Amino acid sequence: QSALTQPPSASGSPGQSVTISCTGTSSDVGGYNYVSWYQQHPDKAPKLMIYEVYKRPSGVPDRFSGSKSGNTASLTVSGLQPEDEADYYCYSYAGSNNFYAFGTGTKVTVL
Amino acid sequence: QVQLQESGPGLVKPSETLSLTCTVSRGSVSPYYWSWIRQPPGKGLEWIGYIYYTGTTNYNPSLKSRITMSVDTSKNQFSLKLTSVAAADTAVYYCGRGVTHIDYWGQGIQVTVSS
Repeated sequence: QSALTQPPSASGSPGQSVTISCTGTSSDVGGYNYVSWYQQHPDKAPKLMIYEVYKRPSGVPDRFSGSKSGNTASLTVSGLQPEDEADYYCYSYAGSNNFYAFGTGTKVTVL
Repeated sequence: QVQLQESGPGLVKPSETLSLTCTVSRGSVSPYYWSWIRQPPGKGLEWIGYIYYTGTTNYNPSLKSRITMSVDTSKNQFSLKLTSVAAADTAVYYCGRGVTHIDYWGQGIQVTVSS
């Protein structure tokens, strides 16, 4: 089982939107609706931003949205704000042997 | 809201056993799943495994032969043991609630493997 593939970096100016992809296979991302996304600021614990592909926990701004098409899940951050600058990781159930996997991580820079 | 706190030695010698405990406060270990995740310095997150409050476990196949997880409902704690550690096991170790998604995280504990 391998890590899910994310672009190393993404960027946007304040107010713009940025979309991060998370590519897996039909055995993980494509096969189940158990994709979640985490935001991690430097030296901090990750924070749940999206779960079950598109659901937002209480307290997470609606600027954050999730979707999935085929074997690729996506996180979109609309109306970028300086505090959105962080690393983002996807995470998915991978089916076989109840395995779970994180994505490789994407560093989002707010220009 | 639920709080998690990892505890254990920050330094472990090569070939020895890493032992960490996660204490749950403002909540109960029942009836939830609990996960361990680690992050080597400068690298991404790695799922280690999970334990259900009943004691059912599932581990990352790449670590399976070296991992044991346990839960103590009376103390509201769950634990991780990783045997035969090497430098590659140096990481920040996090405990978290859930397995299909992790909604509460501990602050993390740095564990360094070095003689």
